[in-house]
Amino acid sequence: DAMVIQNPRYQVTQFGKPVTLSCSQTLNHNVMYWYQQKSSQAPKLLFHYYDKDFNNEADTPDNFQSRRPNTSFCFLDIRSPGLGDAAMYLCATSRSRGGNQPQHFGDGTRLSIL
Amino acid sequence: AQSVTQLDSHVSVSEGTPVLLRCNYSSSYSPSLFWYVQHPNKGLQLLLKYTSAATLVKGINGFEAEFKKSETSFHLTKPSAHMSDAAEYFCVVPSSGSARQLTFGSGTQLTVLP
Repeated sequence: DAMVIQNPRYQVTQFGKPVTLSCSQTLNHNVMYWYQQKSSQAPKLLFHYYDKDFNNEADTPDNFQSRRPNTSFCFLDIRSPGLGDAAMYLCATSRSRGGNQPQHFGDGTRLSIL
Repeated sequence: AQSVTQLDSHVSVSEGTPVLLRCNYSSSYSPSLFWYVQHPNKGLQLLLKYTSAATLVKGINGFEAEFKKSETSFHLTKPSAHMSDAAEYFCVVPSSGSARQLTFGSGTQLTVLP
């Protein structure tokens, strides 16, 4: 089955220690998204790639960066994680940015900060 | 700007009884609308989508939703709840002209009692 796969499912890091979360897709979709979801809240979009074009949300902290080396993979880098960055991180894809295009989500990576 | 309001933060039903999760939208035109479900420690799964074709939309797992323009509503229903339906449900609308930004409702936590 075509899928969005996130690794690892659970990640523990230390305060201030850089961490990278990964996402891969077999859907061959043009758009890949990263969301942050805190407990009992809706997902919050951090940024997205439309093909190689990176689009950052205005309120995404500089501490968060992303890379998309090819169509299938996208990475979320947190340069200096703080306690407030503990959350579920969700990767999603869509075929295009058209208004009728649903997004397909991975199962997320739950990040804990010690 | 498009927005959605989920009228209930928590809904509790007994197994085998009907489910009603309420969503109202605000839009200057007939938008696309989605319902997503999120089980604990999982990503979001698309239940169904409305894209201005039929007003009654059938989704997966026996769920359906009816788009009512006169009431600006897109309520999610299921005739008979199953224990596996216990999850968080999000009503979602894309932002104007693009699926780049999804506007999420605040979510409804569905509890199914035995």
